[in-house]
Formats: sequence, C-alpha cells, structure tokens
Amino acid sequence: EAGVVQSPRYKIIEKKQPVAFWCNPISGHNTLYWYLQNLGQGPELLIRYENEEAVDDSQLPKDRFSAERLKGVDSTLKIQPAELGDSAVYLCASSLGRGQSYEQYFGPGTRLTVT
Amino acid sequence: RKEVEQDPGPFNVPEGATVAFNCTYSNSASQSFFWYRQDCRKEPKLLMSVYSSGNEDGRFTAQLNRASQYISLLIRDSKLSDSATYLCVVNDWNDKIIFGKGTRLHILP
Repeated sequence: EAGVVQSPRYKIIEKKQPVAFWCNPISGHNTLYWYLQNLGQGPELLIRYENEEAVDDSQLPKDRFSAERLKGVDSTLKIQPAELGDSAVYLCASSLGRGQSYEQYFGPGTRLTVT
Repeated sequence: RKEVEQDPGPFNVPEGATVAFNCTYSNSASQSFFWYRQDCRKEPKLLMSVYSSGNEDGRFTAQLNRASQYISLLIRDSKLSDSATYLCVVNDWNDKIIFGKGTRLHILP
C-alpha cells in the first residue's frame, strides 16, 4: 500500500516569495493533517481536515498561510509571502478518522528554506 | 504546566539495557494516546497506541496512568537501532492533537 506522498521534498526560496506544498494521503483516509516541525521540536498542527472540511485551523497563520483539500483527497498548503521564520519541515499526515483511528501516518515532509 | 511534556534527554543507554521514559499531559479529559518514533531527518512513524489497559509489542511496553496523567514507554533489551527520538501524542476530548517535543534516546554499543 502506498504511503503518504508529499512534494516537493526540498524547496529553497527567497523571502516574500510564494511557495506551495502538495500532499496525497493514504487511500481511504478521511482525515488529513498539515504540521510544521522545527529542529528539536515536535510537530505542531497547522490544520486538520475531515474529508473536505477544515475542522481545526486554529494554529494556521491565516494572514499568510492557506490550505485546501478539494474533493476530500489531495491537499495543498500555501505560504504567501514567505518569511525567514517559515523555514522548517512541513509534514503531511493522514488517518482513518477518530478514536484509535487517529493513528497517523506521515509523509516524508517538505524541507523549506527561506533565504 | 505545558499541555504535553517530555524529558528531552538525551538518554544514553548501553545496548541490552532497559530504558523507560514518561510523557505527562495536563488535560484530564484527554482520550487517545500514542507513541511515535522519529529518526534523524525522517518523518515520525507510529510505534504504539496506548490503551487504558496498557499494551505490549515485543520489547516495547506502553502504559497509561490516568490518575497521575502520564503515559510511559519501556524498551527492554535495547538495540542500537532503537536510537531515535520518541514523541508522545495526546488527543483530547475535543479532538485537539498535541505532540510532545520528544525524548532523544542513544543506545551505546
């Protein structure tokens, strides 16, 4: 079974430029998560989708970050404009749903460097 | 008190020894608990779910102590390949998902 797919794996951009990340979850997983992880820290949830609905976006900096999950499958996360402090690894994860089904499976991440 | 706390370590443990670490959580209404393993520059991978009755998978044992609000992970007969960062995850009653910062484990030959 294919795992969570993310692209690109690495991205280097200059500050104030836009950037987008793409995620394809495991087939059949209704819940999709975007996380940000800084070095030496645990992942921090940015947004969680149940199918097409964003059910928790309380930690998403909405002035510059946006996300969408059209048709309840693939998702994109966008930053516009990027700032130096956005340099981090952006992880996508998926799970079947609730309870013990919250077992999450992560993609390899996108390592973003903003210069 | 932070929502989810872990001792960052590192725990330096000789191969073959037993090691245990805890993760404390602040919200008594938390519902689901997990341990993940993360290797350097890799994504987190699910290690174990933590059930109320505790659970065991080979050399790994996870326990939940609701009264004291912590979960634990015990690794027996540690292997060099167990060297990693171990992250705990707590889901509370309103589906808020919180990762700890992780505990670094180094198994020494």
